[in-house]
Amino acid sequence: GDSVTQMEGPVTLSEEAFLTINCTYTATGYPSLFWYVQYPGEGLQLLLKATKADDKGSNKGFEATYRKETTSFHLEKGSVQVSDSAVYFCALSPPGGSNYKLTFGKGTLLTVNP
Amino acid sequence: DGGITQSPKYLFRKEGQNVTLSCEQNLNHDAMYWYRQDPGQGLRLIYYSQIVNDFQKGDIAEGYSVSREKKESFPLTVTSAQKNPTAFYLCATQDRAMSTDTQYFGPGTRLTVL
Repeated sequence: GDSVTQMEGPVTLSEEAFLTINCTYTATGYPSLFWYVQYPGEGLQLLLKATKADDKGSNKGFEATYRKETTSFHLEKGSVQVSDSAVYFCALSPPGGSNYKLTFGKGTLLTVNP
Repeated sequence: DGGITQSPKYLFRKEGQNVTLSCEQNLNHDAMYWYRQDPGQGLRLIYYSQIVNDFQKGDIAEGYSVSREKKESFPLTVTSAQKNPTAFYLCATQDRAMSTDTQYFGPGTRLTVL
């Protein structure tokens, strides 16, 4: 079945450092890929998505590129801020059809120190 | 103000009691989902509904029940048969009419068994 593997946290960075959170997936065909962010005590917010190979999703300085050859969707940001401290989830949705069930990774806790 | 509301934000249950978590949306989305979140385990799908008066079991439906009598509402009942109900519960919606696989999440309900 489908699966998503994220790098385990926690990740602790200083403000303005470069961020990478690795995400790889297992799925048939071309799933849609997502990054969601969860701030403490809140629900999940969609951060960015990509629906086909080589697509780059971007939002709020975060980027991720859909790499079919390596089945990866790594999240990057050039300069993190304290306000980026949150849990980040990678997820996939199967291609086409009537099944839109999301499969999530276990999440990566990011803490950014001033 | 459009969005997804979940209530209550915090809920305490005694052993052997059934409790119902509310999820309401005014986004006019057809599909609704319930997830359970435990520390370090990501999100797991409990139930989902693609249209009114229809719903399907997710990966961990045992001990839970749902109804979908209105498009706007998808309440989740945690029954006494659920042996370990303490968790954070998230409701999500999806606009299937637009053929998009993006899910949007509510703020969550934290359930604690005393």
